[in-house]
Amino acid sequence: EPEVTQTPSHQVTQMGQEVILRCVPISNHLYFYWYRQILGQKVEFLVSFYNNEISEKSEIFDDQFSVERPDGSNFTLKIRSTKLEDSAMYFCASTKHGGGAETGELFFGEGSRLTVL
Amino acid sequence: AQKVTQAQTEISVVEKEDVTLDCVYETRDTTYYLFWYKQPPSGELVFLIRRNSFDEQNEISGRYSWNFQKSTSSFNFTITASQVVDSAVYFCALSAYNTDKLIFGTGTRLQVFP
Repeated sequence: EPEVTQTPSHQVTQMGQEVILRCVPISNHLYFYWYRQILGQKVEFLVSFYNNEISEKSEIFDDQFSVERPDGSNFTLKIRSTKLEDSAMYFCASTKHGGGAETGELFFGEGSRLTVL
Repeated sequence: AQKVTQAQTEISVVEKEDVTLDCVYETRDTTYYLFWYKQPPSGELVFLIRRNSFDEQNEISGRYSWNFQKSTSSFNFTITASQVVDSAVYFCALSAYNTDKLIFGTGTRLQVFP
């Protein structure tokens, strides 16, 4: 069964360092997302991406964050200068159809745990 | 503003008991979608169900059933004859018609003991 894959599964970094989290969405999906979950808390939307541009982003997704689909298969989340409060599990998700009447099952990856020291 | 409330932080049951996980939502939209996701100990988020706001029919899938009541803004999830493998955190989520953004509740941790 096709799945969303994420790397790395766990990354430890020093505050102020840049981090890139990678995702390979399901191959025929067109809509891509990043969510995060601070330990023990709820899952929060960061950004959605379609047709090579951001379609929606949350207030969490500030100038320190960026997303890219560099090569048609990978979907990356970059944090330019990490802060302690960026420590969280980051989930990538994809779906064939986007919002509106077609909103359906979001396929999530297993997450990348980021620890900022 | 949209909000999802899962008041039950943690529930413990013994295998074969039935258990209901509560979900109450707030939205001003007339068209919206409700979801349940399961997060097992391995950490991934597993889709269980999507329900649109115009479809109030209850749904049953094996041991799982969902009760959607617009009058009380609730979308509760019942597991019948629970099993140890049902142990997980369960999240209820809401999205508006014209957005990709899911608003998650804080989750309910279900522990099923043998």
